[in-house]
Amino acid sequence: GEDVEQSLFLSVREGDSSVINCTYTDSSSTYLYWYKQEPGAGLQLLTYIFSNMDMKQDQRLTVLLNKKDKHLSLRIADTQTGDSAIYFCAESRTGGFKTIFGAGTRLFVKA
Amino acid sequence: DTAVSQTPKYLVTQMGNDKSIKCEQNLGHDTMYWYKQDSKKFLKIMFSYNNKELIINETVPNRFSPKSPDKAHLNLHINSLELGDSAVYFCASSRGGGLQNTEAFFGQGTRLTVV
Repeated sequence: GEDVEQSLFLSVREGDSSVINCTYTDSSSTYLYWYKQEPGAGLQLLTYIFSNMDMKQDQRLTVLLNKKDKHLSLRIADTQTGDSAIYFCAESRTGGFKTIFGAGTRLFVKA
Repeated sequence: DTAVSQTPKYLVTQMGNDKSIKCEQNLGHDTMYWYKQDSKKFLKIMFSYNNKELIINETVPNRFSPKSPDKAHLNLHINSLELGDSAVYFCASSRGGGLQNTEAFFGQGTRLTVV
């Protein structure tokens, strides 16, 4: 994930909000994604945002996009122990044929 | 029912061997991918195929040869396996490129261990 950067670890208490941040480099990316990976499993799409949007809310998830700073964030409200996983930020490039992933943020939720 | 399925799930083999990983998707997608995830969980794209044509080849050694017999299948053959090839390999598929949402659907991964 050399062009998409995110912090590697985040630890929160159950019930708190989690905010995972990401910076990307390609201003022409049309879609930006958040994927979740649980242990031993593949990646699953959590949510995405189109580049002409600033914010998207989906139940406990809020995505904020700052195109000027190329900054994307994912907020998880009322974080639960089941939210413990690796969260990958990703951008779609090369006409949509190449998705670049960040290194993943390991979210630990303490009961 | 599985959208993207890859086999085998686990593969343990000796250095120098040749092995294949198969991938099939039943989503009707035009584009398929192979990603490699290393022990630190970094995920890097290896190949992208659209309608059986190679679109992206990310400077992967030519010991890795993908083959797409049809839009629903993208297999990965690896020759002369090396210790550094040990990783989890993910197959994925999505709708084609352009301005549409190219959300990728991932298989469960193949954990390759070269000994």
